[in-house]
Amino acid sequence: DTGVSQNPRHKITKRGQNVTFRCDPISEHNRLYWYRQTLGQGPEFLTYFQNEAQLEKSRLLSDRFSAERPKGSFSTLEIQRTEQGDSAMYLCASSTGTAGQPQHFGDGTRLSIL
Amino acid sequence: GQSLEQPSEVTAVEGAIVQINCTYQTSGFYGLSWYQQHDGGAPTFLSYNALDGLEETGRFSSFLSRSDSYGYLLLQELQMKDSASYFCAVNPSYQLIWGAGTKLIIKP
Repeated sequence: DTGVSQNPRHKITKRGQNVTFRCDPISEHNRLYWYRQTLGQGPEFLTYFQNEAQLEKSRLLSDRFSAERPKGSFSTLEIQRTEQGDSAMYLCASSTGTAGQPQHFGDGTRLSIL
Repeated sequence: GQSLEQPSEVTAVEGAIVQINCTYQTSGFYGLSWYQQHDGGAPTFLSYNALDGLEETGRFSSFLSRSDSYGYLLLQELQMKDSASYFCAVNPSYQLIWGAGTKLIIKP
């Protein structure tokens, strides 16, 4: 069990560029979650997958954001036309299929928009 | 709306006991979780309460009262390494709704 892996760890880009982050969950976990966290706040839910199906999306996930989990294993989160307000830590978590089971987090991708 | 409230900061002395409270208001409820996060690190799971009562895991205990929409995390025999932010989080469904976190400062 290598835990949840996210890459890159850091991403610096200019406003208006597109960025893509990757998350590799714990292998036996069928649920995968994306959160966003800004300094001094708790994580905010963005979206979650059960296997390859995206089952829930937050209102925070504007049309510039898209997430995929094509084979039910790794997931990608893409942000198009990045804005200053997108600067945050993007966290991925995975869990087994029962509500309330602990979510295990990766170390996150810190995005900085210049 | 959905909200969780917890103190922004708590200070305690090494070796002491500290309690971090959390009150919540959500449209659904499966359970209350607690996570620890060190600066620059990922949140790590500490405990989960689905039913009323106290759950104990080593130096950490967590309590839930569903009728009061209230829970707390109790940390005993505080160590310097416990300095971190502690978040309560609620499952209204499969997602987690998080509080803003409590920064625990431990003095020697």
